[in-house]
Amino acid sequence: GESVGLHLPTLSVQEGDNSIINCAYSNSASDYFIWYKQESGKGPQFIIDIRSNMDKRQGQRVTVLLNKTVKHLSLQIAATQPGDSAVYFCAENMAPPYGGSQGNLIFGKGTKLSVKP
Amino acid sequence: DAGVIQSPRHEVTEMGQEVTLRCKPISGHNSLFWYRQTMMRGLELLIYFNNNVPIDDSGMPEDRFSAKMPNASFSTLKIQPSEPRDSAVYFCASRPRQGQPQHFGDGTRLSIL
Repeated sequence: GESVGLHLPTLSVQEGDNSIINCAYSNSASDYFIWYKQESGKGPQFIIDIRSNMDKRQGQRVTVLLNKTVKHLSLQIAATQPGDSAVYFCAENMAPPYGGSQGNLIFGKGTKLSVKP
Repeated sequence: DAGVIQSPRHEVTEMGQEVTLRCKPISGHNSLFWYRQTMMRGLELLIYFNNNVPIDDSGMPEDRFSAKMPNASFSTLKIQPSEPRDSAVYFCASRPRQGQPQHFGDGTRLSIL
């Protein structure tokens, strides 16, 4: 898993398996969370988001789980494919006034997902 | 639909030179963000604008860095004079409104020799 401020961990999975990428956030004032995927040479790409009044949200092949009690966020990818290989970032939005007048995103350092064919 | 467009994609220049990075946000988005990404420090917010007005520039490293947003469809990040430690990938992102995800461009890879 990863936590804001720590080194970049790596997760290696077999094609077809499920992947779980973890993220610990530190700000209890955060009210909105986003997962991004970044491929080599490209900018972060939005995957899925979740607000603090929810504990689970599903997208296409992806699920985000939020546990506010322990300040933990996870991204689950079903049937992982080679195209899923990338660095995944979680980001937390600190509600005003903590994140400035408009709220800011705080990004973690990322987790590198490597999918073996 | 066109995403966030950044130019140039790559820039190599000698230290001391002025560098200007450009960004065209997604039409209709009211917030624009400039980030810098390095292996050592990850993704760092430099400055962001809301409705073309700079809101928070506390992430700008020093006075050598400046950013402008003259209108809703264009922003620049300028470094003058540039230094080797400014070498990084610079991203621009835009957001429709608060509480919505930011959408990133593909960045400018800057190398200062």
